[in-house]
Amino acid sequence: LAKTTQPISMDSYEGQEVNITCSHNNIATNDYITWYQQFPSQGPRFIIQGYKTKVTNEVASLFIPADRKSSTLSLPRVSLSDTAVYYCLVGPFGGNKLVFGAGTILRVKS
Amino acid sequence: GAVVSQHPSRVICKSGTSVKIECRSLDFQATTMFWYRQFPKQSLMLMATSNEGSKATYEQGVEKDKFLINHASLTLSTLTVTSAHPEDSSFYICSAREPTGRGDGYTFGSGTRLTVV
Repeated sequence: LAKTTQPISMDSYEGQEVNITCSHNNIATNDYITWYQQFPSQGPRFIIQGYKTKVTNEVASLFIPADRKSSTLSLPRVSLSDTAVYYCLVGPFGGNKLVFGAGTILRVKS
Repeated sequence: GAVVSQHPSRVICKSGTSVKIECRSLDFQATTMFWYRQFPKQSLMLMATSNEGSKATYEQGVEKDKFLINHASLTLSTLTVTSAHPEDSSFYICSAREPTGRGDGYTFGSGTRLTVV
């Protein structure tokens, strides 16, 4: 499974757009990029998944450049409730397990 | 959507005793479930993959005899921490994959906070 590197933490203010970048230089051809969100004392929650270019859903966008060696999770107009840890995972679709890296602690301030 | 229920949410046990944590897939069948452990301010660490009707597959460094996993049905996997010690205090999380679910199909339980005193 490809190793991922994310910033340890980020701070933002309510209403701002937050972009969290993940590096995955050794991503394989059949790997997908998936982002999870985790609140304290809860299990992780799926946010978004993509393979290339751009994916958007009701909560976030995922930008993946052509070389796929990095990806950026974009959270539009964050609120205090978006304060959480965000994990970037890389692996084959339908893979047999999920391996989590260190994650990024996002703190949203008022 | 796919729901994974984990019980109990919190448990306190005495050192040397065993504690069982249950993970249930409520609205789907899961031939495979996963158990993670998370220490404070750290990421999730995969402990083992639980396979229905067969032995679990443990990650390197995880003691099989200490963390007993049973996956006797398609909707239930249990993790038993045997002879628990204070260093086993942690947040234990299970997960299951529902292939037709949204996103990548993985759903996580809400976790179990184990405190060994």
